[in-house]
Amino acid sequence: KQEVTQIPAALSVPEGENLVLNCSFTDSAIYNLQWFRQDPGKGLTSLLLIQSSQREQTSGRLNASLDKSSGRSTLYIAASQPGDSATYLCAVFNQAGTALIFGKGTTLSVSS
Amino acid sequence: DAGITQSPRYKITETGRQVTLMCHQTWSHSYMFWYRQDLGHGLRLIYYSAAADITDKGEVPDGYVVSRSKTENFPLTLESATRSQTSVYFCASSLGLAGGYNEQFFGPGTRLTVL
Repeated sequence: KQEVTQIPAALSVPEGENLVLNCSFTDSAIYNLQWFRQDPGKGLTSLLLIQSSQREQTSGRLNASLDKSSGRSTLYIAASQPGDSATYLCAVFNQAGTALIFGKGTTLSVSS
Repeated sequence: DAGITQSPRYKITETGRQVTLMCHQTWSHSYMFWYRQDLGHGLRLIYYSAAADITDKGEVPDGYVVSRSKTENFPLTLESATRSQTSVYFCASSLGLAGGYNEQFFGPGTRLTVL
């Protein structure tokens, strides 16, 4: 059964720092991997989707990488801002390709 | 507005009552999903639907019923609510499933409390 782990559970950084959020999964035979952002009391906002054949995706200050062989993905945030404070979730599709399996998230706090 | 909406946003009910959570999307996405989010468990799939009149169970379907008579709507019904169903419920949609560039897009959520 696919399991997704995100470490650390929480992270606090000063504004301007570059940072990396980690996601690991137990079954390397994945389809897509998707990173989301969730603000307190809100829904999930899709940030990036990496297809299984891709190694990375970039959107603005965000860069997500995927290493299937090691069962890892990272989300790199450049020049962090207080507005980046949120919980970041990573998710992969289950073996049947029908549903996303989520990690429990990393809660990021960026102080000004 | 375009996108995916859920109603109500907040609901308080009592044990044993029937509750229906609504989900509506304007993208004509084929696939729709219901997840619940709980502390300590993260997000878990309840049911999903591949098209109108086609639904299937997810990881935690017990106590829930879904229907999909129209592509744009995917209501979730708790037939007899229990306290363990207190949770935040998210509806999502996508064009397809795994294997293509098929992002899942989420609604704002419904916070349900069962007393």
